[in-house]
Amino acid sequence: GNSVTQMEGPVTLSEEAFLTINCTYTATGYPSLFWYVQYPGEGLQLLLKATKADDKGSNKGFEATYRKETTSFHLEKGSVQVSDSAVYFCALSDAGANSKLTFGKGITLSVRP
Amino acid sequence: DTAVSQTPKYLVTQMGNDKSIKCEQNLGHDTMYWYKQDSKKFLKIMFSYNNKELIINETVPNRFSPKSPDKAHLNLHINSLELGDSAVYFCASTIGATNEKLFFGSGTQLSVL
Repeated sequence: GNSVTQMEGPVTLSEEAFLTINCTYTATGYPSLFWYVQYPGEGLQLLLKATKADDKGSNKGFEATYRKETTSFHLEKGSVQVSDSAVYFCALSDAGANSKLTFGKGITLSVRP
Repeated sequence: DTAVSQTPKYLVTQMGNDKSIKCEQNLGHDTMYWYKQDSKKFLKIMFSYNNKELIINETVPNRFSPKSPDKAHLNLHINSLELGDSAVYFCASTIGATNEKLFFGSGTQLSVL
């Protein structure tokens, strides 16, 4: 079945540091890939997505590139802010109707001033 | 206006009790979900409804019974609550049934004592 593996957390960075959060996946076919973010006390929000190989999703300074050869979708940001402190989830959706999102474990990012 | 709203936000109850969590979305979406998030932030799908019909039912104990009176509402009833049911429960919705972008509620934190 489908699965998503995220690097172990938590991650603590200083403001303006470079961020990489690793995500790899296992799926049959050609899934769509997503990063969701959960700010404290809130539900998840879609951060970015990519629907086919070599697509790059980007939003709010975050980027991730769909790499089919390495089955990866790593999240990066060049300069993190305190307001980026949240839990980040990588997810995939298999193709077709009645598909479902499979989430990774989530990783907590804390950014210090 | 809140797009996906859940009530209550917090629920504290004794083992063996029966409780319900309500969810409503005002986005006109066709598909609604219940997810369970454990203490380690792992997020797992429980149920999915499309236009009031059950389309995904993961291996969830039959003490959990979803009910969708119309496509804007998906409620979750839990019988005979157990300690292991303590978690945060998230409702979500999306257009169609293809998972391109889920909108999440802010969660219901259930504590079973």
